[in-house]
Amino acid sequence: RKEVEQDPGPFNVPEGATVAFNCTYSNSASQSFFWYRQDCRKEPKLLMSVYSSGNEDGRFTAQLNRASQYISLLIRDSKLSDSATYLCVVNGVGAGSYQLTFGKGTKLSVIP
Amino acid sequence: NAGVTQTPKFRILKIGQSMTLQCAQDMNHNYMYWYRQDPGMGLKLIYYSVGAGITDKGEVPNGYNVSRSTTEDFPLRLELAAPSQTSVYFCASSVGGGPPDTQYFGPGTRLTVL
Repeated sequence: RKEVEQDPGPFNVPEGATVAFNCTYSNSASQSFFWYRQDCRKEPKLLMSVYSSGNEDGRFTAQLNRASQYISLLIRDSKLSDSATYLCVVNGVGAGSYQLTFGKGTKLSVIP
Repeated sequence: NAGVTQTPKFRILKIGQSMTLQCAQDMNHNYMYWYRQDPGMGLKLIYYSVGAGITDKGEVPNGYNVSRSTTEDFPLRLELAAPSQTSVYFCASSVGGGPPDTQYFGPGTRLTVL
């Protein structure tokens, strides 16, 4: 199993749609989980951290299922400006806990 | 704060040439990182540093060297450039000290080796 695996997409959705991305990770001891956003030819930027209880930030909701080693990101009421690649990111374990492992990303295109 | 800055933004090298990618941060972060991102691939860690004078290898260190003489600067050195090093290079920094630890990225350097 790859360390962090995502559906590469692309996801093409109309404005106003709800879209969900999924991610699985292989290391059951990982403790920190993130979603980063990367615009075309730009650097990754933190979208949100993912907590065990689930968390929401405006139109974005992140969920973590430790038993299934599964992370999700839900975007409601999609905007054109949401078009980007969404990276699932998981931290390492032990002495490498500050090292991050990135998924390849899921590309989202929001269409007018 | 400028955050994480990188120079140059673009560079074309010939096979066998050497160069240094510069990275600086003004957030007083302890940890700094170098990643490369190939098209359609996730970011791969090249080297990282947990403080001035301390560096260690990441997942793909071959062909690269780093140094960390100050908290602010973390240059990446490419010796004997090869076409396989054509990539986008991102520098990042974080506070450090345990998870969760958000990493902040610079704008990247696009390197082509011909």
